[in-house]
Amino acid sequence: ETGVTQTPRHLVMGMTNKKSLKCEQHLGHNAMYWYKQSAKKPLELMFVYSLEERVENNSVPSRFSPECPNSSHLFLHLHTLQPEDSALYLCASSQESASGANVLTFGAGSRLTVL
Amino acid sequence: GQNIDQPTEMTATEGAIVQINCTYQTSGFNGLFWYQQHAGEAPTFLSYNVLDGLEEKGRFSSFLSRSKGYSYLLLKELQMKDSASYLCAVVDSNYQLIWGAGTKLIIKP
Repeated sequence: ETGVTQTPRHLVMGMTNKKSLKCEQHLGHNAMYWYKQSAKKPLELMFVYSLEERVENNSVPSRFSPECPNSSHLFLHLHTLQPEDSALYLCASSQESASGANVLTFGAGSRLTVL
Repeated sequence: GQNIDQPTEMTATEGAIVQINCTYQTSGFNGLFWYQQHAGEAPTFLSYNVLDGLEEKGRFSSFLSRSKGYSYLLLKELQMKDSASYLCAVVDSNYQLIWGAGTKLIIKP
């Protein structure tokens, strides 16, 4: 596989469930990102990892917990979410260390619905 | 605060030309990106402008005026496959990426 792969593509969970989103990049990039995309709203940056170290956490609630075990994999662990957390969660990677000036390669996203 | 404005939705006809505008007010400027996102798919990189002027890539061109805080994406010879959302994003003085809400482009036969 090439590019950025996200699984699952769709997820429905209750507010008390624990689930995880997975992202894998096959590009040899050094930085990985989690974004939240809600309808008709700008992309919201959640977390940034550069060389497996978290470099940014944009005041995201603790019910979202990221994990980056190596430079190719990124997880977003979900716990006791709220209905307003329903959105498309996009993973992205960039070749250089985390900087807004880098071209991002996105995955197709995980569509999350919280009941 | 920082702000990126682009129209929510536009409609154009197959074969025609459409211009999608993006205006920005940010703390500093270190470049502007355009991404294309088809429904249910990943956003993909279209262009990056850091200097004033027009950059052409096939049917797509991107223009930047830093003094006016303004950019546009010009799509020529529209095809049905160009139906997508177009996202404008600006790199600010801290190298943070500030996103617009996107413009949904609908192409009609």
